[in-house]
Amino acid sequence: SQQGEEDPQALSIQEGENATMNCSYKTSINNLQWYRQNSGRGLVHLILIRSNEREKHSGRLRVTLDTSKKSSSLLITASRAADTASYFCATDAKSNFGNEKLTFGTGTRLTIIP
Amino acid sequence: GAGVSQSPRYKVAKRGQDVALRCDPISGHVSLFWYQQALGQGPEFLTYFQNEAQLDKSGLPSDRFFAERPEGSVSTLKIQRTQQEDSAVYLCASSSHIGGTSFSTDTQYFGPGTRLTVL
Repeated sequence: SQQGEEDPQALSIQEGENATMNCSYKTSINNLQWYRQNSGRGLVHLILIRSNEREKHSGRLRVTLDTSKKSSSLLITASRAADTASYFCATDAKSNFGNEKLTFGTGTRLTIIP
Repeated sequence: GAGVSQSPRYKVAKRGQDVALRCDPISGHVSLFWYQQALGQGPEFLTYFQNEAQLDKSGLPSDRFFAERPEGSVSTLKIQRTQQEDSAVYLCASSSHIGGTSFSTDTQYFGPGTRLTVL
């Protein structure tokens, strides 16, 4: 079952604009990660934010986490054509077996218009 | 160094056939994960290995799914008597993190996936 829900499901913006995607989840987490997936390719890890952090930056990426609302947002600034991809949030929680396993949301399909 | 590789990249099977999907993790990575990604959905966890031990298979959808990692490196996901609902991309990921040993999570590195189509 999917843990998170991203919104919007699809987003189209002009190159150079900022893109914001949101993720909501249901259960308590250890951390939350964002991944990018280009068409026909594997997932690429973008950024991880821990449950005791509220904001994190990496290059053009800014992630926020609100554990009280069980939500996170990913902001991509100054978007480029190469940012066109699907973006997934993934939450991490320990399983009964001690391993951490990721539970992914449904994804946001981002299209950057040149 | 080399990332996670998977083979074949594409597999077409007739309903009822058995298939085997291979994953080569990053050298030295202890943890290996398999995920299933249906069209338009996010990946869903199938199973987890720590070295050769399959510690978590709670995500395997039926007993037709079987995974192994006999020497703690390469892993194979086998699907017996494939059904149309098995059509999906199967992703493998590895990490250097050992589950249960710390609170933090190490990054999982994903392979390109195997797209399975069952006719």
